Amino acid sequence: NAGVTQTPKFRILKIGQSMTLQCTQDMNHNYMYWYRQDPGMGLKLIYYSVGAGITDKGEVPNGYNVSRSTTEDFPLRLELAAPSQTSVYFCASSYSGTSGIYNEQFFGPGTRLTVL
Amino acid sequence: GENVEQHPSTLSVQEGDSAVIKCTYSDSASNYFPWYKQELGKGPQLIIDIRSNVGEKKDQRIAVTLNKTAKHFSLHITETQPEDSAVYFCAEEGYSTLTFGKGTMLLVSP
Repeated sequence: NAGVTQTPKFRILKIGQSMTLQCTQDMNHNYMYWYRQDPGMGLKLIYYSVGAGITDKGEVPNGYNVSRSTTEDFPLRLELAAPSQTSVYFCASSYSGTSGIYNEQFFGPGTRLTVL
Repeated sequence: GENVEQHPSTLSVQEGDSAVIKCTYSDSASNYFPWYKQELGKGPQLIIDIRSNVGEKKDQRIAVTLNKTAKHFSLHITETQPEDSAVYFCAEEGYSTLTFGKGTMLLVSP
């Protein structure tokens, strides 16, 4: 299994541009998550999904959109990029939610995004 | 909502020493507390977790303790090695999600 894969690894955007961060998992996990990591600020949840066709907002959803048309894929869309969206973005997946037995979140390697 | 405070933000120890990282949480209804380790340039990885029905859990050189009355839990690493150098995050469960602390950078000097 490849686990959780993310593309691209790095990206530089200009203010106002749009892009999609790709995330794919091959573990047949139901739950998928998008986090952003800023220096010294830990991981903040942007959006999550409990299954195909279901998404929900996390702590910092403004400026982002997601979709979950398949179990495997959970792309994150940035519209009108702003310097405040400069961050490292991590996608993660788990078989169950936090109250379940198989709740370990498996993280991808991250996408480093800079908005200038 | 959930809020997790983690201390210290950085911790430097000599190889062979012990390291302790502490977290305080806000939601008394939370029952699940994992610890993740993030090595440089990689995504976080689960190293140990604890549920509220136990007070301590050990896995070789790492252990986690939980005090539900005081709403705090701690990560203990004994006999530290240079490969333990990383950023460690504690987390508290929310509704299907986790709330993470801000992280502790652990530096183990040979």
